[in-house]
Parts: sequence; C-alpha cells; structure tokens
Amino acid sequence: QVQLVQSGAEVKKPGASVKVSCKASEHTFDSYGFSWVRQAPGQGLEWMGWISGYDGDTNYAREFQGRVILTTDTSTKTAYMELRSLRSDDTAVYYCAKDRILRRWPVVDSLGYWGQGTLVTVSS
Amino acid sequence: DVVMTQSPLSLPVTLGQPASISCRSSQSLVHSDGNTYLNWFQQRSGQPPRRLIYKVSTRDSGVPDRFSASGSGTDFTLKISRVEAEDVGVYYCMQGTHWPYTFGQGTKLEIK
Repeated sequence: QVQLVQSGAEVKKPGASVKVSCKASEHTFDSYGFSWVRQAPGQGLEWMGWISGYDGDTNYAREFQGRVILTTDTSTKTAYMELRSLRSDDTAVYYCAKDRILRRWPVVDSLGYWGQGTLVTVSS
Repeated sequence: DVVMTQSPLSLPVTLGQPASISCRSSQSLVHSDGNTYLNWFQQRSGQPPRRLIYKVSTRDSGVPDRFSASGSGTDFTLKISRVEAEDVGVYYCMQGTHWPYTFGQGTKLEIK
C-alpha cells in the first residue's frame, strides 16, 4: 500500500510560480504514475494532468496547458507539480494521486491512493 | 470533454435509511478495451477524496458492503443501503475512459 506525502502549504503572489512535491513510500515508483487534482475552496474536484513514473509521459488538461509542468524524480521517489503565472483563482488545495503507469488502456488502477493535499494561497 | 452530471446535489437522509446518487455522462464510458472506467469517491470534511468504487461496481478494500454501485453506458448509480453517521460527506463520480478525466459536481450527503 503506497503512501503519498505532499509538501506544506504555500502563499504566493499573483504572477509567481509554485512547485508542490509528492513523495511516495513505495520502492516501485516507476511502476505507476501520478495524477494531480485541485479543489478550490468550497468547490469540486478538477483534474489537472497526469505523469508516468515509468517514462515521464504527460497528459495535461486543456485549461492548464502551458502553465503547469509535471515532473518526477525516480531517485527520490517524488513527483512534482509546478504551476506558473499564478492568479487568485488558483487558490486551492492541490492533491497528487497514484494513477496509471502508461497513457494507453487498459488501466489496472487509477486514483486509489491520494496525498493529504497542499493548500496554495495566491494573494497580493 | 465528457461532462459528468450528478443528482441530486444535496441529499438529506435519515440515519438507517437508504440513499441513492445518480451520475450521467455526456458520452458512453465503455472503452474499446471492454472496460467502463467509472469511479466513485467519498470526501469527508477536511480530508482528501477516498475511492469507494472503481470500474462501475467493484468496491475498494475496506469499503463497507452497504455501499454498492451499478450502471452502464452513460447512466450510473451509487447506493448506500443504510446510511450511517460516518457516511456524511461529498460524493463524486469520475470517468477515466476518455482524456481528460472529469468529475461530477459532487453530491453532499447530510443527516436529516
């Protein structure tokens, strides 16, 4: 059973960037991937993108294309989500979740394990 | 993108009574590989989402058997046979058949 531990809360100014980390406990880091999902205060869940821990392949939601960068570091078993050009409406809790290993189907397991969430506040 | 529509959005239920949440998708969720990638999540206040059900009807480990789910194509349902106090929270359906993944708006279950 994998545990995902995310980095702590961040406060950023509009226009800045934030990088959130997600460290996995399982040694088979390259046998799965990560999705990132965010939740604005009082709102629902919004999928941002996916990265494979195996080959670094990515897939981003259209609304985040060009502004979000997902990466992984297999040596530290850590996934990262960097969001640039922050706006006030990017204030949200950002979650990582264990996901599929490859872009193609079939998918064995998806979003069965989640990190605890990281609150990012964007305010001037 | 596939639009996921849940109803109701608010669900007051008496303890011990059943509850049912509907989720409809704007496109069929049957993938060409034969699977239907429809998940249900529960989110309690201040907690990350917890997956309850995957591939329409398979309960995750540790999920009480009072939770069940069914459906096909574009129409799906989550049922709780007898609501308990710990079931309070927001429930989301999510499709993983098509990129991008999309979630329903969420259904808030509360005790009457």
